[in-house]
Amino acid sequence: KQEVTQIPAALSVPEGENLVLNCSFTDSAIYNLQWFRQDPGKGLTSLLLIQSSQREQTSGRLNASLDKSSGRSTLYIAASQPGDSATYLCAVPISSGSARQLTFGSGTQLTVLP
Amino acid sequence: NAGVTQTPKFQVLKTGQSMTLQCAQDMNHEYMSWYRQDPGMGLRLIHYSVGAGITDQGEVPNGYNVSRSTTEDFPLRLLSAAPSQTSVYFCASSRGTGTSYGYTFGSGTRLTVV
Repeated sequence: KQEVTQIPAALSVPEGENLVLNCSFTDSAIYNLQWFRQDPGKGLTSLLLIQSSQREQTSGRLNASLDKSSGRSTLYIAASQPGDSATYLCAVPISSGSARQLTFGSGTQLTVLP
Repeated sequence: NAGVTQTPKFQVLKTGQSMTLQCAQDMNHEYMSWYRQDPGMGLRLIHYSVGAGITDQGEVPNGYNVSRSTTEDFPLRLLSAAPSQTSVYFCASSRGTGTSYGYTFGSGTRLTVV
């Protein structure tokens, strides 16, 4: 069974710092990995989708890397801002027949202090 | 683009009442699914659909029904609400069941059953 783990569970940094969020998964046979952010009381916003054949994806100040062989992905946030404060979730899809179910990590709650 | 729209945003039900959570997407996505998010449990798949007229059960389907009469809409019905169904419900869609596609989530419905 695929298990997804995110560390740390919470992170507090001063504004302007670069930071790395970690995501690990137990079954390396993944199709892709998706990073989301969730603001308190809100839905999930997709940040980056990285395919199994890719090593990196970038969007603005965000960079996601994927190392399937080691079962790890990292989300790098450059020059953090208070508006980046949110919970960050990584997810991998698992398939059983026609079902595609996302398995989520428990998230990293990020606080960027002004 | 509206993306995935969920209504209502908040709902309070009495035990035994029934209701329908609405989900609509305007991206012509084939795949739609319902998740519930509970503290300490993460997001769990309730039901999913791979196209109009086709639905199937996910991880936690008991107490819920779905139908998919059009590509755009995927309502979730609570047959007889129970306090254990207090949760945040998210609808998600994907372009298809291919392994390269990511997910788009709605903003969620917060349901309280008293």
